[in-house]
Amino acid sequence: GENVEQHPSTLSVQEGDSAVIKCTYSDSASNYFPWYKQELGKRPQLIIDIRSNVGEKKDQRIAVTLNKTAKHFSLHITETQPEDSAVYFCAASIFAEKLTFGTGTRLTIIP
Amino acid sequence: EAGVAQSPRYKIIEKRQSVAFWCNPISGHATLYWYQQILGQGPKLLIQFQNNGVVDDSQLPKDRFSAERLKGVDSTLKIQPAKLEDSAVYLCASSLEGGTVREKLFFGSGTQLSVL
Repeated sequence: GENVEQHPSTLSVQEGDSAVIKCTYSDSASNYFPWYKQELGKRPQLIIDIRSNVGEKKDQRIAVTLNKTAKHFSLHITETQPEDSAVYFCAASIFAEKLTFGTGTRLTIIP
Repeated sequence: EAGVAQSPRYKIIEKRQSVAFWCNPISGHATLYWYQQILGQGPKLLIQFQNNGVVDDSQLPKDRFSAERLKGVDSTLKIQPAKLEDSAVYLCASSLEGGTVREKLFFGSGTQLSVL
């Protein structure tokens, strides 16, 4: 089955700087890669996703890149703000079925 | 649009007791998932339903966990008897139709279970 590794487990950045979280996956058949943001005690919320037919997708301050050859994808957050502080999970699946999640990255934005 | 509803929000039980969780997916969503999220980890899939049929329950500990989705809408997840290691947040999620390129998964707020 699919295995997703996520790094780093914790990340602290100064407000206004950029944050990058990286994930690798094992199943070359996976073609859907979402990113979820989870605030303490709340549900995971989809913030951006990418499908294997594109290499990069951007939505305002958030971007995701995908390298299918290397089987890794990354989340980039620019101009970070205090409200970006949360745990971020990457995931992989074939289409959008049965997501396999990474172990999460706790992002802290330092004012 | 209303989201995925789950109840109860919190549950505290002693080991060997039974517990049940309820989920109401987004209206019209055919696919429903139950995930287990242990503290500090990512969600792990327990079971997937398509309408009222089970698509994948390979990671469900069937000796103590059971789930059903009668009439293809609401779903219940039961643990009997509970063990200490079952302490986790149980997340329900739904999508319009699993396995299609247009799909996105929406999560409920979860039920936080503490087994003492």
